[in-house]
Amino acid sequence: QQQVKQSPQSLIVQKGGIPIINCAYENTAFDYFPWYQQFPGKGPALLIAIRPDVSEKKEGRFTISFNKSAKQFSLHIMDSQPGDSATYFCAASITSGTYKYIFGTGTRLKVLA
Amino acid sequence: GAVVSQHPSRVICKSGTSVKIECRSLDFQATTMFWYRQFPKQSLMLMATSNEGSKATYEQGVEKDKFLINHASLTLSTLTVTSAHPEDSSFYICSAREMGADTQYFGPGTRLTVL
Repeated sequence: QQQVKQSPQSLIVQKGGIPIINCAYENTAFDYFPWYQQFPGKGPALLIAIRPDVSEKKEGRFTISFNKSAKQFSLHIMDSQPGDSATYFCAASITSGTYKYIFGTGTRLKVLA
Repeated sequence: GAVVSQHPSRVICKSGTSVKIECRSLDFQATTMFWYRQFPKQSLMLMATSNEGSKATYEQGVEKDKFLINHASLTLSTLTVTSAHPEDSSFYICSAREMGADTQYFGPGTRLTVL
C-alpha cells in the first residue's frame, strides 16, 4: 500500500514531442506529490509538485495532471528538448507524518534532436 | 534558494576504513534531513530520517551501527560509513526539509567507492 508505481520505465520522443509519465498510488493518506528530474551523477532536482485538491498544475513546460478518484498523477513535458533527457521520479508523501517520500521507480527519458 | 550541498562529491577508500559525508543546507534551516542510497539505474532508497537534536530513525534493513547519522545543527547532518566494504560502494544523497515545508531539497550526491 506504500508503493508508488511509475510507468513507463523508459521513453524516447522526438524533439518537440510531449512525453507523458504516469504514477499510481494506493494509500489515500498521501497528500503531496512532487516530481524530480535527475541527470547522471547528480542529485534529484524538484520540477513541480501538486496536492490532491488541485487537478492540474503548470510550471513552464511542465504540467502535472492529478486524478484523485483514480489515485493517479502524471507529468507532461511540453515542447520537449534534448536537454530534457534525464531520469524522472515521481514521489508521494504524507505531510502530517514523517514527511518521508515514497519514490516511483523512475523513467529514463531520451529526447532525440 | 533552497540549496543543499554535500562534501565530498567523490571518495575512494580502502576496505575497513570509515568515511564521513557531510550534508549542509546553505540558505535555510533544515529541521529534517534524509539520507538516501542509489544504485545505478535504480530509484532512491531511503536509509534514515534525522531531526535536529534527535537520534536518527533508520529504515528497516539499514544497519544503524554501520551507517552513523548525526544531525547536530539545523544546517548540518553527517553520515559516517563505518568499516566500509566494497558492497557499500554506492551513490549517497541527502535531502533537507525546512520546518513547515513539504518539499525535500536534494544535495548533489556523494559517490563512494570502496576498494
